[in-house]
Amino acid sequence: QLQLQESGPGLVKPSETLSLTCTVSGGSISSSLYYWGWIRQPPGKGLEWIGSIYYSGNTYYNPSLKSRVTISVDTSKNQLSLKLTSVTAADTAVYYCARQEGATDYMAVWGKGTTVTVSS
Amino acid sequence: DIQMTQSPSSLSASVGDRVTITCRASQSISNYLNWYQQKPGKAPKLLIYAASNLQSGVPSSFSAGGSGTDFTLTISSLQPEDFATYYCQQTYSTPHSFGQGTKVEIK
Repeated sequence: QLQLQESGPGLVKPSETLSLTCTVSGGSISSSLYYWGWIRQPPGKGLEWIGSIYYSGNTYYNPSLKSRVTISVDTSKNQLSLKLTSVTAADTAVYYCARQEGATDYMAVWGKGTTVTVSS
Repeated sequence: DIQMTQSPSSLSASVGDRVTITCRASQSISNYLNWYQQKPGKAPKLLIYAASNLQSGVPSSFSAGGSGTDFTLTISSLQPEDFATYYCQQTYSTPHSFGQGTKVEIK
């Protein structure tokens, strides 16, 4: 059974870089069938799609974050990573990773999410 | 970017009620529309993909339809476990934007 687990610091200082990892277990991140995505949700607000990556490294980013975000994949570790630079309080959110599949890139498998707070 | 607008933003309903949520896209997205349910403190759960396809394991009380710019999610008979927030998401083009959510509360 496929499982995703986000990990990383729960507290990041303003202007620093947020770095998260999503570990995939029970399946291979190198499958040609899927993209892997990052989604976030600020406290009390809705969902925001951050971007996605294919195992080959092909990426798509949300233009609202594109200048600050990097998504990468490490197939040897079966992990994907998210880096967000120059963070502010507005980047405080629960961050989720999920597998994108099918013709409509639906996300049937999600991690439980990890809370990141940006504060000095 | 494609904007997704859900209505209503919230609703109050009773167990057994029929509930319909609407999602409108700012441009045609064919059937590239997915629906998710989210409960407090939990990750979203996929309900419907490709506008009208019920995800495996989701009760048949959920149904959805639409194409182009207008979509609906219907719960035929609201159950206690259905009280949650529902999101539509378009995946026609990146960024894969979500609607703002519809919170279904107990009346």
